[in-house]
Amino acid sequence: DGGITQSPKYLFRKEGQNVTLSCEQNLNHDAMYWYRQDPGQGLRLIYYSQIVNDFQKGDIAEGYSVSREKKESFPLTVTSAQKNPTAFYLCASSFVPGQGMNTEAFFGQGTRLTVV
Amino acid sequence: AQSVTQLDSQVPVFEEAPVELRCNYSSSVSVYLFWYVQYPNQGLQLLLKYLSGSTLVKGINGFEAEFNKSQTSFHLRKPSVHISDTAEYFCAVSDYTDKLIFGTGTRLQVFP
Repeated sequence: DGGITQSPKYLFRKEGQNVTLSCEQNLNHDAMYWYRQDPGQGLRLIYYSQIVNDFQKGDIAEGYSVSREKKESFPLTVTSAQKNPTAFYLCASSFVPGQGMNTEAFFGQGTRLTVV
Repeated sequence: AQSVTQLDSQVPVFEEAPVELRCNYSSSVSVYLFWYVQYPNQGLQLLLKYLSGSTLVKGINGFEAEFNKSQTSFHLRKPSVHISDTAEYFCAVSDYTDKLIFGTGTRLQVFP
């Protein structure tokens, strides 16, 4: 079955540590996105990528880093520079807007990160 | 630049009553519009989408939405809600060249 997979579902991190969240898709989508979700604030875009080896900052990129070495994978690293990392993180993928194709985004099940 | 406004952060309703969740957008170009649903501790699932054509769009779970270009709205409706509809609902907009922009969400709470 085609889909998008995030792992792990729950993650605990000590203050000062970097941690990497995994996101893999087999939908043949070129575009991938990372969102952060906090109560009452909806989804805020962290980073997005529309092609391998290229990515752009979203609205709240500070304290985060990404890579896009393969079309299927878009891992997110939460660095120690992120002051308030406890949140629910969602990864999504879609066809690239502007290619005349459906830009519907498909989401993973999310990773809940807690800093202890 | 595009933006999405969901006018109600919470909507309480009794079971079997009708419901409308409001969404307004701003964009200088034609857009695609989406409604997603999120159940607790899960990802988002697409309810319905408007790409072109008929302005009344039907989705899953008995939901429908109407695209109103003159009012730049895309309100979500259901004639009779069920307890299982309790969830967070997100409206999203995309133009033909840019990424999806989400609203802040509306929490629908259905009471027995």
